[in-house]
Amino acid sequence: GAGVSQSPSNKVTEKGKDVELRCDPISGHTALYWYRQSLGQGLEFLIYFQGNSAPDKSGLPSDRFSAERTGGSVSTLTIQRTQQEDSAVYLCASSAGLAGGPHFFGPGTRLTVL
Amino acid sequence: AQSVTQLDSQVPVFEEAPVELRCNYSSSVSVYLFWYVQYPNQGLQLLLKYLSGSTLVKGINGFEAEFNKSQTSFHLRKPSVHISDTAEYFCAVRGRGTGANNLFFGTGTRLTVIP
Repeated sequence: GAGVSQSPSNKVTEKGKDVELRCDPISGHTALYWYRQSLGQGLEFLIYFQGNSAPDKSGLPSDRFSAERTGGSVSTLTIQRTQQEDSAVYLCASSAGLAGGPHFFGPGTRLTVL
Repeated sequence: AQSVTQLDSQVPVFEEAPVELRCNYSSSVSVYLFWYVQYPNQGLQLLLKYLSGSTLVKGINGFEAEFNKSQTSFHLRKPSVHISDTAEYFCAVRGRGTGANNLFFGTGTRLTVIP
C-alpha cells in the first residue's frame, strides 16, 4: 500500500487478557519496527525485524511481549496477560533498510487496559 | 547506545515569529539525526534528516536544522511560523554502525503557535 497501516486503531481490553496488534508495512520495505508511545515517556523501541535475520528483541519490556513477521511483510505484536501499564499507543514503522534510511510510521494502535 | 535530550517540553510562539526547538544527543559513535512531527491525532511524519555532507539540512514546511558535532546538537528552526505548525516535534538519533537499527527519541517538544 501507499503507507504503513495498523489495526485496530483503538483497542480496549481488560487486565489479564491477551491482545494482538497488526502492522502492514510499505510494500518492499525490508525493515520493520515496533515502538511504544506513552505519556511522559516518549517513544520507546520494542523490536526490529530485518529481512530473514533474527529479530532484535532488545527493547521488549517483558516476556509477555512478543512479535512475529510472516513472509517478510505483515507483523503482529502480541501482549499476553495485559497490565494497566501496557496502556499506550503502539507504533509500527518500516524502512527500506538502507543505512540512515528514515522510518515511515503508521498511525498507531491506542491500547487501553482497564 | 544513543540518547536524545529535548530540553523544552513546551514552546509557545506567536504567529509569524521565528522559532528554535532544541535537541542535544549523546553517542559514542557517529550518528544519523532526524526530526519528526506529529500533528494532533495523526502519526509521526518525517520533517528532515541529517545523514552526511552539509550540516545545514532543509526539510518540509520551511523547517531547517543544523548539525553541530562539537556541541552534539541538532536544533530545528523556522524563520516564521504558521498556525498550522502547531504540533509535537520529536528529535531522534540512530547510530551508524552495523546493528544500530532503531531510533532513539527525545521526549518531544509541543509547539503552540498563538494567533
